[in-house]
Amino acid sequence: AQSVTQPDIHITVSEGASLELRCNYSYGATPYLFWYVQSPGQGLQLLLKYFSGDTLVQGIKGFEAEFKRSQSSFNLRKPSVHWSDAAEYFCAVGARNNAGNMLTFGGGTRLMVKP
Amino acid sequence: DAGVTQSPTHLIKTRGQQVTLRCSPKSGHDTVCWYQQALGQGPQFIFQYYEEEERQRGNFPDRFSGHQFPNYSSELNVNALLLGDSALYLCASSRRTSGIQIHEQFFGPGTRLTVL
Repeated sequence: AQSVTQPDIHITVSEGASLELRCNYSYGATPYLFWYVQSPGQGLQLLLKYFSGDTLVQGIKGFEAEFKRSQSSFNLRKPSVHWSDAAEYFCAVGARNNAGNMLTFGGGTRLMVKP
Repeated sequence: DAGVTQSPTHLIKTRGQQVTLRCSPKSGHDTVCWYQQALGQGPQFIFQYYEEEERQRGNFPDRFSGHQFPNYSSELNVNALLLGDSALYLCASSRRTSGIQIHEQFFGPGTRLTVL
């Protein structure tokens, strides 16, 4: 069974500082990998995804993530955080098969941004 | 281009009652997944519908059932509500092309269910 761990429940950074959110997964092979963002009371918005190819993927809002097979990680980064980035961030994995597209999510990391 | 829509936005029920939540997928999408997100947790997969059939199911009891209509919209039904069913219920849509599942999912805003 696949699983996702986001070790940091809360992270606080100053506006303009860099950000890295950690994600580790457990899966028998290389899964599909996603990062979603959720503002309070809202649904999930896809930031970026990794299916294959270049292990450094670019997303929306200036975010990027790097897939590291040897570490089973898919960490999210942003060089300079804006106050509007304060939200909950979820890492998710999907199985590489055609049976369905169930996503398994981590518990999330709540990002707070200090002025 | 309309995104994924869900109704109602909020719902309050009492224990033992039944509830139906509705979802319309993004234009061009034919696959719908439902997720339950308890407060402070990540979403958990309930089930997936494609071609009006349940294709994949997570670890949820039979009290949770669903339906997909010919226009690809979907309903989630929960019977005999428990306090623990209080959560944000998210619908996500995606599409299959030439029989191949496209794994990128687009989420709706969710329905907040409160069970008293």
